[in-house]
Amino acid sequence: DGGITQSPKYLFRKEGQNVTLSCEQNLNHDAMYWYRQDPGQGLRLIYYSQIVNDFQKGDIAEGYSVSREKKESFPLTVTSAQKNPTAFYLCASSGADGPLSPLHFGNGTRLTVT
Amino acid sequence: RKEVEQDPGPFNVPEGATVAFNCTYSNSASQSFFWYRQDCRKEPKLLMSVYSSGNEDGRFTAQLNRASQYISLLIRDSKLSDSATYLCVVNGLAGGFKTIFGAGTRLFVKA
Repeated sequence: DGGITQSPKYLFRKEGQNVTLSCEQNLNHDAMYWYRQDPGQGLRLIYYSQIVNDFQKGDIAEGYSVSREKKESFPLTVTSAQKNPTAFYLCASSGADGPLSPLHFGNGTRLTVT
Repeated sequence: RKEVEQDPGPFNVPEGATVAFNCTYSNSASQSFFWYRQDCRKEPKLLMSVYSSGNEDGRFTAQLNRASQYISLLIRDSKLSDSATYLCVVNGLAGGFKTIFGAGTRLFVKA
């Protein structure tokens, strides 16, 4: 079955360490996204990529980095510069109509930094 | 003013009730509209797209009013399994890609 796979489901890190969250999709979607969700709040866009080897900052890109070397993969690195990294991170993709298409989400990575 | 606003709730309703959620958006150039459902500590899942003509999927009916920049979701004959957070999502192309999520409306359906 096609879908989006995020790993790991839970991640624990010490402050000051960089950490990379994996996101892989086999939906053949061009566009991929990373969102962050904090308790009781809406989703906020970190980065998005509409095509391989290209990506743009979202609303809260500071302290994060991404790469898009393959269509299927869009890993997110949470760097030590991110002041409040503990959150629920969601990867998504969208299909042929790009921004007019609904987003399909992975099941998320819950990151805890202590 | 937030770009997409929803009543945060929570809505507490008995099984079998009809419940309506509202959502307003500020960008008149918005192109597409969706309702998502999010269960506790899970990812959002697409519930339905919203079309200007209104659309229905079983017990769920979505409406869009472009003139008033307003979206609604009606759930009839509520089930316990409908308990979740419902997210209003607006996509627009003004100035480039933009998908905006509302903060969500929490629904509790009780036996």
